[in-house]
Amino acid sequence: DQQVKQNSPSLSVQEGRISILNCDYTNSMFDYFLWYKKYPAEGPTFLISISSIKDKNEDGRFTVFLNKSAKHLSLHIVPSQPGDSAVYFCAASGGNQFYFGTGTSLTVIP
Amino acid sequence: DAGVIQSPRHEVTEMGQEVTLRCKPISGHDYLFWYRQTMMRGLELLIYFNNNVPIDDSGMPEDRFSAKMPNASFSTLKIQPSEPRDSAVYFCASSLGLGDTQYFGPGTRLTVL
Repeated sequence: DQQVKQNSPSLSVQEGRISILNCDYTNSMFDYFLWYKKYPAEGPTFLISISSIKDKNEDGRFTVFLNKSAKHLSLHIVPSQPGDSAVYFCAASGGNQFYFGTGTSLTVIP
Repeated sequence: DAGVIQSPRHEVTEMGQEVTLRCKPISGHDYLFWYRQTMMRGLELLIYFNNNVPIDDSGMPEDRFSAKMPNASFSTLKIQPSEPRDSAVYFCASSLGLGDTQYFGPGTRLTVL
């Protein structure tokens, strides 16, 4: 049973526009959420995180939004750049549990 | 620190053979994770250790898989016997705490023929 879901396996966006990547979770015990970015032939690297006590966290072009009632989080990238093309994984943790989503492959078209 | 180190980077073996993947975590990190990346399930957590002790191995697919962490600087993931469906990229990661940022190794691409 997937406790963290990324329902869009892929997304294409024009350079300069906004990229919105979505993630849903099922376990209300999760209290910390992270996004990782993965380039081909490399391991994932940490991008941005958010605690359940917040509903927004911003770091440069990257903003993560958390809607606890909907058990939904999203990553916004503005403006999108070709170098942002990668697979993005969301992750959730709480208690002794930690789960990654299945990933969304983002392609930013120059 | 050199980051998380995994070896080998690539492994090609024949069905039925034993495969051992190795990982050296970042010094001082108390948690070590083993993941398998597949198209269908994304990053699948296989097992994680806290202070060298296995905490949750519920993700290990079957008894053919085993993992050990004999000390704080070394862990192995073993598949015996290997099967073609085990072909995937296996990642090792380490972190200070369970919900803290995980630092991933470059992965081992395993191909079982």
